Amino acid sequence: SQQGEEDPQALSIQEGENATMNCSYKTSINNLQWYRQNSGRGLVHLILIRSNEREKHSGRLRVTLDTSKKSSSLLITASRAADTASYFCATSEKNSGGSNYKLTFGKGTLLTVNP
Amino acid sequence: NAGVTQTPKFQVLKTGQSMTLQCAQDMNHEYMSWYRQDPGMGLRLIHYSVGAGITDQGEVPNGYNVSRSTTEDFPLRLLSAAPSQTSVYFCASSYRGLHTEAFFGQGTRLTVV
Repeated sequence: SQQGEEDPQALSIQEGENATMNCSYKTSINNLQWYRQNSGRGLVHLILIRSNEREKHSGRLRVTLDTSKKSSSLLITASRAADTASYFCATSEKNSGGSNYKLTFGKGTLLTVNP
Repeated sequence: NAGVTQTPKFQVLKTGQSMTLQCAQDMNHEYMSWYRQDPGMGLRLIHYSVGAGITDQGEVPNGYNVSRSTTEDFPLRLLSAAPSQTSVYFCASSYRGLHTEAFFGQGTRLTVV
């Protein structure tokens, strides 16, 4: 079942502008992660934010988490053409047996940064 | 470090054929997973393993088998390929648990005709 849902599905911006992507989820989570996927490649981990954290930074990336609204946002500042990729949020939750956590991915946001 | 290596990168199968998608990691990770990625569906978990000899089903396990005889390798077997299994398959591994940072392979694009 789909947990995270990214919004928008697609985003097109100019180089130098900021890009904001949102993720909403339905159930309680342990953490939320963002991944990037370049066309035809595997996913690359960007950042992980725990359920007790509200904001996290990594280079040009800023992630926020609002557990009361069950939502997260990923902000990429001063975007570059090389940031063109699909971005996925993934939430970790316990499986139905309550034992092992697993990652559930959203459908992704396709970001295009025009030079 | 090679990280997570998947072979083959591309494969075309006829309906009813069987094959094994290979996945190997050199990071000594206990946790490994198989996902399939379909347009508009995101990634869906097929099977996962929490260590050598231990596997379990994910969200969409039907038509697939896995085994984990070593820490390094986690092959995915398609028993009798169907057109519905046309997809891109990703193997991933993680160090501290299924819920932690996952390292992905480059994927195998499978077409079943």
